[in-house]
Amino acid sequence: ETGVTQSPTHLIKTRGQQVTLRCSSQSGHNTVSWYQQALGQGPQFIFQYYREEENGRGNFPPRFSGLQFPNYSSELNVNALELDDSALYLCASSLHNRVSRNTEAFFGQGTRLTVV
Amino acid sequence: GESVGLHLPTLSVQEGDNSIINCAYSNSASDYFIWYKQESGKGPQFIIDIRSNMDKRQGQRVTVLLNKTVKHLSLQIAATQPGDSAVYFCAEKEGGATNKLIFGTGTLLAVQP
Repeated sequence: ETGVTQSPTHLIKTRGQQVTLRCSSQSGHNTVSWYQQALGQGPQFIFQYYREEENGRGNFPPRFSGLQFPNYSSELNVNALELDDSALYLCASSLHNRVSRNTEAFFGQGTRLTVV
Repeated sequence: GESVGLHLPTLSVQEGDNSIINCAYSNSASDYFIWYKQESGKGPQFIIDIRSNMDKRQGQRVTVLLNKTVKHLSLQIAATQPGDSAVYFCAEKEGGATNKLIFGTGTLLAVQP
């Protein structure tokens, strides 16, 4: 186990609804990244949060947004859900510091989102 | 553009044999590479990593080789076991402050008893 926890594990939403997914990072890690993994594909980078600010974003529309809290946990919010948003949403935590810049990223088990 | 691709989508090996999973990357600016194992219904599990200033790194039963000349990465698993059956992803990270990983589509490793 990595120490990265995500909730909920499974979720079913209706098209047009909004969803919030949660992630607790591994102890000692200060950076959280979110990925979307469609069935049969590799994870795609959504965005990263460091020091409670977005620090890099992939090719995802603005209806994908996030937050990072002082305890380094994070939320992923998706508005106006579309059928194609159905995927496994993964959270990864890592440590960013001046020396190593970034350490390896450890993933949580993911949240399986189904949009109907 | 950015891309990480795998040469073989499916690899079938006999238990006890050695496995080699290959990966090609296209971004010469990438300075860090990771191999992940993903079992069904689980998140990717870190296996081993390598930085661009190295060409080989060994772990327990696993070895990663990096050939920057041809932009090729491989994962070698010694004495493959049934528990090694999973999808394996290579991921690359560009140099810079953002820890953005670019994943390929994955290789399914099937270990036959």
